[in-house]
Amino acid sequence: AQKITQTQPGMFVQEKEAVTLDCTYDTSDQSYGLFWYKQPSSGEMIFLIYQGSYDEQNATEGRYSLNFQKARKSANLVISASQLGDSAMYFCAMSSASGGSYIPTFGRGTSLIVHP
Amino acid sequence: ETGVTQTPRHLVMGMTNKKSLKCEQHLGHNAMYWYKQSAKKPLELMFVYNFKEQTENNSVPSRFSPECPNSSHLFLHLHTLQPEDSALYLCASSQDSGTAYQPQHFGDGTRLSIL
Repeated sequence: AQKITQTQPGMFVQEKEAVTLDCTYDTSDQSYGLFWYKQPSSGEMIFLIYQGSYDEQNATEGRYSLNFQKARKSANLVISASQLGDSAMYFCAMSSASGGSYIPTFGRGTSLIVHP
Repeated sequence: ETGVTQTPRHLVMGMTNKKSLKCEQHLGHNAMYWYKQSAKKPLELMFVYNFKEQTENNSVPSRFSPECPNSSHLFLHLHTLQPEDSALYLCASSQDSGTAYQPQHFGDGTRLSIL
């Protein structure tokens, strides 16, 4: 069975500082995808970044980077230069095969609050 | 319109009512998903449709009935709901569900309250 663990229920960071949100996963599949999503209080889930299991380089997307350590089965999200608008819930997700379909599994999320 | 649109944004209904949630995507995707998000619980996958065919039913009670008439539209028909069904219902789409490397694009959700 696939499992995503986010051990930080809440994180606080000062504006303009960097912050790392932790994510570990468990799967026996060789081919899988890892994703991070942001959910502001308004409810919509916004896709931020993804990493394929065969990608050797860490994914980056603007101020977001994914620190992928395959042997440790971790996929931490790093947000550089935090902004007040980054305050939101952040979900780590993994997509791996389930009977031919790649079904995403989500973690419980981390609430990030950015202080001015 | 672009992206994934869900209507209504808010819905209050009694336990004996019948209502439907609608989701429409304008991204040319072939897979669509329904999720339930309750407070203090992980996001729960309910149904998956790939090219209009249902590929996943995650042990969802029969009072929730999905319908996917085409790759752009997804409905969730509700009847005889229980108070514990109050939650945010999110619709998502992706190119298809056949590879691991495709992100999902979500709608804004329907916040459902059962009286």
